[in-house]
Amino acid sequence: DAKTTQPPSMDCAEGRAANLPCNHSTISGNEYVYWYRQIHSQGPQYIIHGLKNNETNEMASLIITEDRKSSTLILPHATLRDTAVYYCIVRVALTQGGSEKLVFGKGTKLTVNP
Amino acid sequence: KAGVTQTPRYLIKTRGQQVTLSCSPISGHRSVSWYQQTPGQGLQFLFEYFSETQRNKGNFPGRFSGRQFSNSRSEMNVSTLELGDSALYLCASSPLLKTYEQYFGPGTRLTVT
Repeated sequence: DAKTTQPPSMDCAEGRAANLPCNHSTISGNEYVYWYRQIHSQGPQYIIHGLKNNETNEMASLIITEDRKSSTLILPHATLRDTAVYYCIVRVALTQGGSEKLVFGKGTKLTVNP
Repeated sequence: KAGVTQTPRYLIKTRGQQVTLSCSPISGHRSVSWYQQTPGQGLQFLFEYFSETQRNKGNFPGRFSGRQFSNSRSEMNVSTLELGDSALYLCASSPLLKTYEQYFGPGTRLTVT
């Protein structure tokens, strides 16, 4: 699995967009980018994933660069409840089912300030 | 739909004892994975079960084992507990064709004294 690099911490003002970067320069053509987050004292929560196109869902947007060597998770209007550790994971997606092993790095600790 | 449930939520054991943790996946999910989370090592994959078969295993000693029942509920067992086994143990389940989309339970906090 490709290795990811994320800043250890970031701050964001409530109501503003939070842009969390992730570098994955060794990503392979068949590897997807996944984002999870873990709010304190809870289990991780799946946010979004993508291959090469930008993706958006009700929680966030994922922007992947054209060369796929980096991506940015965007929380458009951050709230205090978005304070969490955000994990960027690169992995081959077994879309037909099959065993999946997520390898979590240290992630980015996002603090949303009032 | 009810989420992933784990029991017990907190557990205190003595070194040398064994422990069994339980996980009930989301209804309809047949894949169950287990992770260990510690401050030093972060989140680490233990193993994954599907249809009562272990399909994937992380780099943990044989003291860590698990099983899955026909109703997809899963248990993990740690024998001969060591102080270093103190951790948050997380269980996750995933839909059949979206195994990357894992839904985690709240975890079991195990303290070994």
